[in-house]
Amino acid sequence: EIVMTQSPATLSVSPGERATLSCRASQSVSSDLAWYQQRPGQAPRLLIYGASTRATGIPARFSGSGSGTEFTLTISSLQSEDFAIYYCQQYHNRPPVTFGQGTRLEIK
Amino acid sequence: QVQLVESGGGVVQPGRSLRLSCAASGFTFSRFGMHWVRQAPGKGLEWVAVVGDDGSARVYADSVKGRFTVSRDNSKNTVWLQMDSLANEDTAVYYCARELSHGNWLFDYWGQGTLVTVSS
Repeated sequence: EIVMTQSPATLSVSPGERATLSCRASQSVSSDLAWYQQRPGQAPRLLIYGASTRATGIPARFSGSGSGTEFTLTISSLQSEDFAIYYCQQYHNRPPVTFGQGTRLEIK
Repeated sequence: QVQLVESGGGVVQPGRSLRLSCAASGFTFSRFGMHWVRQAPGKGLEWVAVVGDDGSARVYADSVKGRFTVSRDNSKNTVWLQMDSLANEDTAVYYCARELSHGNWLFDYWGQGTLVTVSS
């Protein structure tokens, strides 16, 4: 089973600033990496797949990069609705698909 | 628009059973694999099971193998998760989720979730 590790656990950023979230895989997942956003009390929402492809309807301020074992989600100019928990997921080796433990993005 | 609506959660004693349902609408249900993903209170996401588009392929996480059964009826646009021999650690919100495209095991639509609490 591939272990996904996200850092930091909590990130404090001011609205309008850039946020950079990291995700590391215990072995290569190629580009089979997705990012999800989960707001309080809501289901996760797919943001990015294929490491860098935005899902339908996702604003351009969200971007993903990386391949192999190191990945980054960048939010270029934080809006109030972006403060949430973000999860990465590998779907390269399955079963099972595995998720990171999440990064909480909070308002500074 | 795509909708997934789970139901069937509740409080159940350890060792008992529960059956969750997920009703789908707004897309051609029979073309998509469907998954269950759970989230324990205050915790992260854990993949649970998948049923293939025609129902023939079923795969489970080790943590539920032999206790949970996933199934679907394409004529009813519904997927189920039969959960037997429930344990305290099965307490979670259970989400059904649709695959983005055939066989890729990432999830573009999720239901709102249904809470299962296993407690004596």
